Amino acid sequence: DVKVTQSSRYLVKRTGEKVFLECVQDMDHENMFWYRQDPGLGLRLIYFSYDVKMKEKGDIPEGYSVSREKKERFSLILESASTNQTSMYLCASLGQGGTANYGYTFGSGTRLTVV
Amino acid sequence: GENVEQHPSTLSVQEGDSAVIKCTYSDSASNYFPWYKQELGKGPQLIIDIRSNVGEKKDQRIAVTLNKTAKHFSLHITETQPEDSAVYFCAASISSTNAGKSTFGDGTTLTVKP
Repeated sequence: DVKVTQSSRYLVKRTGEKVFLECVQDMDHENMFWYRQDPGLGLRLIYFSYDVKMKEKGDIPEGYSVSREKKERFSLILESASTNQTSMYLCASLGQGGTANYGYTFGSGTRLTVV
Repeated sequence: GENVEQHPSTLSVQEGDSAVIKCTYSDSASNYFPWYKQELGKGPQLIIDIRSNVGEKKDQRIAVTLNKTAKHFSLHITETQPEDSAVYFCAASISSTNAGKSTFGDGTTLTVKP
């Protein structure tokens, strides 16, 4: 029962390309997050959203933007990909209040290589 | 903002031994502390969590302890098995603010030798 789906497992893009990473959740969660994971640096928050059309910057938003037009979908956009954006990208969702479990549900990740 | 430090970065144990991973946090307002396990090629998966009104929680072979005064929490795995080999992340959040966003430690790579 897949709950958070990231559209691609592996992507290879060229420097300067516009890149879209898609994430869909089927749990009716209000909150969605994009993290990047790099060796030795853990998971760093890029952007998050707490409602449709709402977005907040995380710790490392530079070079990224996001879109949340529907509750179930949260897209990460690299406006002009650069080699230092080569990384594993993880999407997560989280239910809001009133639930006993406040832990994230993560997708399987998208490994992006920019050449 | 919140800062979470995790130690050790790598841990190797013999099958059947115990493993302990420790984390410290900086924001005294944090009230939710989850632990995630990430197996190769997969996203992290929540394995256990603890809230600030509880000092210890157990689930079979895993347990988590929290010391609010010292601002540190730990993951304990007993009777380790090869399938426990993975990367483990601790995290801290304030569950009622900022969409409950979590700050993560840098991860611990646990290897259980048969």
